[in-house]
Amino acid sequence: EAGVVQSPRYKIIEKKQPVAFWCNPISGHNTLYWYRQNLGQGPELLIRYENEEAVDDSQLPKDRFSAERLKGVDSTLKIQPAELGDSAVYLCASSLEGTSAYNEQFFGPGTRLTVL
Amino acid sequence: SQQGEEDPQALSIQEGENATMNCSYKTSINNLQWYRQNSGRGLVHLILIRSNEREKHSGRLRVTLDTSKKSSSLLITASRAADTASYFCATDAGGANSKLTFGKGITLSVRP
Repeated sequence: EAGVVQSPRYKIIEKKQPVAFWCNPISGHNTLYWYRQNLGQGPELLIRYENEEAVDDSQLPKDRFSAERLKGVDSTLKIQPAELGDSAVYLCASSLEGTSAYNEQFFGPGTRLTVL
Repeated sequence: SQQGEEDPQALSIQEGENATMNCSYKTSINNLQWYRQNSGRGLVHLILIRSNEREKHSGRLRVTLDTSKKSSSLLITASRAADTASYFCATDAGGANSKLTFGKGITLSVRP
């Protein structure tokens, strides 16, 4: 069974440029998460989707970040414009059903973003 | 904000020794999970322990949970070089707003 797929794996851009990350969750997983992981820190949730609905985006900096999950499968996370402080690893995860009381999440390899 | 705090921040042991990592948290939880992250990779789920459980085993892993002290420990027995990684505890309050809140992680180095 294929795991969570993310692309690109690495991205280097100059500040003020836009950037987009793509995620394909495990087949059949209704819940999709985007996390940001800064160096030396644990992941922090940016947004969580139940099917195509964003049910928790309280940590998403909405002035420059946007996300979508069309048809409740693939998802795209966008930053426009990028700032130096956005340099981090962006992780996508999925789970069978996020509202389950015991919710194991499966993570993709992440996209390492460097903003120059 | 990060709820779980792992201790120690870094641990270096010899292959074959046991590794004990601790995690403390602040608010009530539904479950606590441990994840492993190898360098440059995504996180891998290791084990989940529910708030009404006190101990759980999976292979060479043993997790304990003390809700009265708001703490958990992860024990890896007979460590191997391949266990070298960062380990994170993550808490989940459960319910409709279920989400994982991760600590900063523990870097484990197992020397061959």
